[in-house]
Amino acid sequence: DAKTTQPPSMDCAEGRAANLPCNHSTISGNEYVYWYRQIHSQGPQYIIHGLKNNETNEMASLIITEDRKSSTLILPHATLRDTAVYYCIVRAYNQGGKLIFGQGTELSVKP
Amino acid sequence: DGGITQSPKYLFRKEGQNVTLSCEQNLNHDAMYWYRQDPGQGLRLIYYSQIVNDFQKGDIAEGYSVSREKKESFPLTVTSAQKNPTAFYLCASISTGVGNQPQHFGDGTRLSIL
Repeated sequence: DAKTTQPPSMDCAEGRAANLPCNHSTISGNEYVYWYRQIHSQGPQYIIHGLKNNETNEMASLIITEDRKSSTLILPHATLRDTAVYYCIVRAYNQGGKLIFGQGTELSVKP
Repeated sequence: DGGITQSPKYLFRKEGQNVTLSCEQNLNHDAMYWYRQDPGQGLRLIYYSQIVNDFQKGDIAEGYSVSREKKESFPLTVTSAQKNPTAFYLCASISTGVGNQPQHFGDGTRLSIL
C-alpha cells in the first residue's frame, strides 16, 4: 500500500495562505491523492483529490508534482475555522478501495 | 440533505457485553466502510461492504462483526472478544459506480469501557 508522509504540525497566520506538503514517493501511476481534514471529535471532511493535474475547488487547491511523488494542499486565505488535522491519503486498490491514513498535519491558524 | 448518520454519538460498554453501532446513509451509495481511530492516530479499516448481503474483513476485524441487509444500513457490533474497544468509530460510504469519487464520513461514535 502506498504511504504518505506529512509534517506533524504547522502554524499559519489568519488571512495568509496555508501550504501543506505531502510526500507519496511510492504512489502507483493510477492512484489518486485525496485530502481530508478532521476537527476534533468529528468525522473527516473531504477537501479535494487529484491524479496528476492541479485541481482547484471552492475550498482549496491541490498542486501535484510532475513525477507525482509529492503534492501540496493550499488553503488560499486561512481562517481560524481551518484549524484541524489535515490528512493526505492514497486510496488502495485492494480492500474495497480503503483509504490509507497516515498521521496527518495539525494545522493551527493563529490570529 | 443527504448524508451519513451514526448513532449513538457516545457509547459505554461493560465487560463481557456486546454493543452495536448504527450507520445509516441516504446517499444511495453502494459501498460502506467501518474505520477505527485511536488517539493521535489515523484511521484503520475494520470491515467493508461493496454490495448488500456481502462484506469483507479489513485490517483489524478481530472482535468485530457486521451485517449488510439493506443498502442504506451497515451496523457494527463490538463483541466481548474485542479486548481494547475504546476508540472513535467512523462509518464511510462511496458510490462505486463513479470511479475515484471520495468517501463520505459520518460524525463518529466514541466508545468507552465502563
